Amino acid sequence: QQQVKQSPQSLIVQKGGISIINCAYENTAFDYFPWYQQFPGKGPALLIAIRPDVSEKKEGRFTISFNKSAKQFSLHIMDSQPGDSATYFCAASRIQGAQKLVFGQGTRLTINP
Amino acid sequence: DAGVTQSPTHLIKTRGQQVTLRCSPISGHKSVSWYQQVLGQGPQFIFQYYEKEERGRGNFPDRFSARQFPNYSSELNVNALLLGDSALYLCASSFSTGSSSPLHFGNGTRLTVT
Repeated sequence: QQQVKQSPQSLIVQKGGISIINCAYENTAFDYFPWYQQFPGKGPALLIAIRPDVSEKKEGRFTISFNKSAKQFSLHIMDSQPGDSATYFCAASRIQGAQKLVFGQGTRLTINP
Repeated sequence: DAGVTQSPTHLIKTRGQQVTLRCSPISGHKSVSWYQQVLGQGPQFIFQYYEKEERGRGNFPDRFSARQFPNYSSELNVNALLLGDSALYLCASSFSTGSSSPLHFGNGTRLTVT
């Protein structure tokens, strides 16, 4: 019940294209869903986060879509750039209580110039 | 402003030894969390401390322990090291507990157990 499943494991997209990464969760008590970006040799950095009271959140080229009934959420990167090449992690937790993020397995994104 | 700083950046230890990892949070942040990231996987929650008290513990054996000091810095200790403890150990800080306060991660300590 604590798992967050992420797909695909790796993704190659052409420059200017749309990158889409999907996640599914099991625990219906989760109510906070962030996405993190990690470059080699660096720690994860928060990109964007959503709560289940909205179905979509957009920040610049990054959009989270959330489907509460399906227990799924996804990250869309519009106009993908070579600088977006990194590993992306979805995560889930409860807003209240300990800040106990459950991470997906990660997606290695490569943007070809 | 300085981000989350961790030391050392790399560490090599032998099976059975003990290790201490250190973390300094962002100035003003009172919560520190520790995560283990095995190569090719997502980070796994180990501990969260807030105002020097343990607020959460992940599914890790008692060989793992941590503490937070009055200046909000933190140490993670691992005893009786196993080969499987080889990983990147990430420290993250936030202003308060609860996920409404975003986590800011350091660049980690790479631990290799031989």
